[in-house]
Amino acid sequence: QQQVKQSPQSLIVQKGGISIINCAYENTAFDYFPWYQQFPGKGPALLIAIRPDVSEKKEGRFTISFNKSAKQFSLHIMDSQPGDSATYFCAASRGSSNTGKLIFGQGTTLQVKP
Amino acid sequence: DVKVTQSSRYLVKRTGEKVFLECVQDMDHENMFWYRQDPGLGLRLIYFSYDVKMKEKGDIPEGYSVSREKKERFSLILESASTNQTSMYLCASSLLGGVSPETQYFGPGTRLLVL
Repeated sequence: QQQVKQSPQSLIVQKGGISIINCAYENTAFDYFPWYQQFPGKGPALLIAIRPDVSEKKEGRFTISFNKSAKQFSLHIMDSQPGDSATYFCAASRGSSNTGKLIFGQGTTLQVKP
Repeated sequence: DVKVTQSSRYLVKRTGEKVFLECVQDMDHENMFWYRQDPGLGLRLIYFSYDVKMKEKGDIPEGYSVSREKKERFSLILESASTNQTSMYLCASSLLGGVSPETQYFGPGTRLLVL
């Protein structure tokens, strides 16, 4: 119940294309769903996050779509650029827990070809 | 900006050695975390701490211990390193409470090779 399952494990997209990464969770108590971006040699950094009171959140070319009934959420990267090449992690937490613990997905390595 | 630093970027140790990984954050965060990152397995929580001298086991604590004597410093200890502990180790911190208490700030990681 504590798992977050992420797919695909790797993704290759042409420049200008749309990158889509999917995550699924089981625990209905989760109420915060962030995505982290990690460049080679760096630690992950928060990219965008959503709470279940909305079905979509957009920041620039990055959009989270959230489907509460299906217990799924996804990251869409529009007009993908070579600079977006990185590893992406979805995560989930119970914000009310106050420990700040996150359950991370398995990660997706994205390569955007020029 | 929040800064989380880790004492080493790369470490090579021998099987059976005691290994210390140090993490320091400069933003007065209450929560600190140690993860290991392995391909296909994502980030797995080893231990976390929500206050000085307080610690809780994460998902994979076996073979590890931690120490938090000061608020800004969180140490991960491998009592007797084994080859299956070869991995990337990431430290993170987060603020207790606030607008987004779940936001974790990560260090650059320590890549540990145990021979």
